Amino acid sequence: EAGVAQSPRYKIIEKRQSVAFWCNPISGHATLYWYQQILGQGPKLLIQFQNNGVVDDSQLPKDRFSAERLKGVDSTLKIQPAKLEDSAVYLCASSRAGTTTNYGYTFGSGTRLTVV
Amino acid sequence: AQSVAQPEDQVNVAEGNPLTVKCTYSVSGNPYLFWYVQYPNRGLQFLLKYITGDNLVKGSYGFEAEFNKSQTSFHLKKPSALVSDSALYFCAVREDGANNLFFGTGTRLTVIP
Repeated sequence: EAGVAQSPRYKIIEKRQSVAFWCNPISGHATLYWYQQILGQGPKLLIQFQNNGVVDDSQLPKDRFSAERLKGVDSTLKIQPAKLEDSAVYLCASSRAGTTTNYGYTFGSGTRLTVV
Repeated sequence: AQSVAQPEDQVNVAEGNPLTVKCTYSVSGNPYLFWYVQYPNRGLQFLLKYITGDNLVKGSYGFEAEFNKSQTSFHLKKPSALVSDSALYFCAVREDGANNLFFGTGTRLTVIP
């Protein structure tokens, strides 16, 4: 099966600009996650979708971050306006509904964001 | 609240020697434990998991991990390290009833030829 697709691979923006990341999960995977991985740290969950509904967005900085998953397939994560501390790798992952325990996640390659 | 500790930022081992990457956890109730590996410019790849049953879990690429409930540990092991095992390793835990995985800070493994 095809993996989790993410684009772009790299992005460099100036602070206060906006940026958007795209994720296409594995076909049939109902659950989609966005993680932020700052250099030297483990991935931190930003938001979790089940189909097109939000399950958990408690760690999402909602004043600047937004995410959507229209039609329960692709997802976009947006940052507006970006801050220097948003420099990180943004990872998308997906799993079949209710199977995180058994199968864990499948991760995409990530988008490396640099805010200057 | 769930937490994961990987006490070593860096582990160096000679090729052919056994390797251990340490992980301890804290959860309420039964833990569901995972190891992932991350190669440069790649996403995280699933290695193995412990859900229930045998405390010794075998995974991909010859890796295994031992669940120790009394020590709340889930150390990753391999009998004979390869240079190609050099990567960043993450331990993760899912607490019973939680929706998602909580990751440790990672351990960089370097296998020296």
